[in-house]
Amino acid sequence: GQNIDQPTEMTATEGAIVQINCTYQTSGFNGLFWYQQHAGEAPTFLSYNVLDGLEEKGRFSSFLSRSKGYSYLLLKELQMKDSASYLCAVMDSNYQLIWGAGTKLIIKP
Amino acid sequence: GAVVSQHPSRVICKSGTSVKIECRSLDFQATTMFWYRQFPKKSLMLMATSNEGSKATYEQGVEKDKFLINHASLTLSTLTVTSAHPEDSSFYICSARDGDRMSYGYTFGSGTRLTVV
Repeated sequence: GQNIDQPTEMTATEGAIVQINCTYQTSGFNGLFWYQQHAGEAPTFLSYNVLDGLEEKGRFSSFLSRSKGYSYLLLKELQMKDSASYLCAVMDSNYQLIWGAGTKLIIKP
Repeated sequence: GAVVSQHPSRVICKSGTSVKIECRSLDFQATTMFWYRQFPKKSLMLMATSNEGSKATYEQGVEKDKFLINHASLTLSTLTVTSAHPEDSSFYICSARDGDRMSYGYTFGSGTRLTVV
C-alpha cells in the first residue's frame, strides 16, 4: 500500500530552527509537495521537489532524497505565525496526490 | 498566482436538506478539480476528481449519489451534498492546478465548513 509518515506534533522555540521529516512509500513518484495549513483554513503551497537536493525559499527549505523515500521541511528563524500543521504529499505514478496526516508545529515564545 | 474561490465558507443546514458548494478558478482554466474532505486533526481525504465536461471519478467508499459533482465549465465545479445528515458535517475543500506548472503546486479554495443539525 501507499504510505506517508510524518510526526504528529513538534514543538519549537521562536527564533529557532525546526526540521519536519517525511518518509514515503508510494507506487511511483512524480514529486513531493509541502503545504502549510492553519487551523480552520485551507492548505497553502510551500514547496515542490522532484529532484534530489535542497530547495531554498526564504526562511523555508525543502530537501528530497528519492533513493531513501525521504524529505524534510526546514523552517528557520521561527515566528509565532509559523504555528500550523505542515502536510507532506507525494504524487504517485498515476499523478494522484497521497497525503500525510500532517505535523502540528507549536511555537513557544 | 493561481486563485481558487470557494463558497460558502460556512453553512449550517437541517438534516435532509441539500447543500451546494461552488469552486471557481479565477485566473486560470482548470480542466480538473479535486474535492477533499477533512475531519478535525486529520489529513485531507480525496473524495472525487472532477473533470470538465465528463463524469467525476469518485474514490472508493464515497457515495456518488450523495455527493453530486458537476464540472460544467473550465472555471467552475460544484459539489452538492444531498439529503445531508449530521455525519456529513465536515470541512470540504476543493483544489486545482494551473496547467502543468507542478512547481506552483495545487491551489486550494478557502474551504467550506458544513454543519448539519
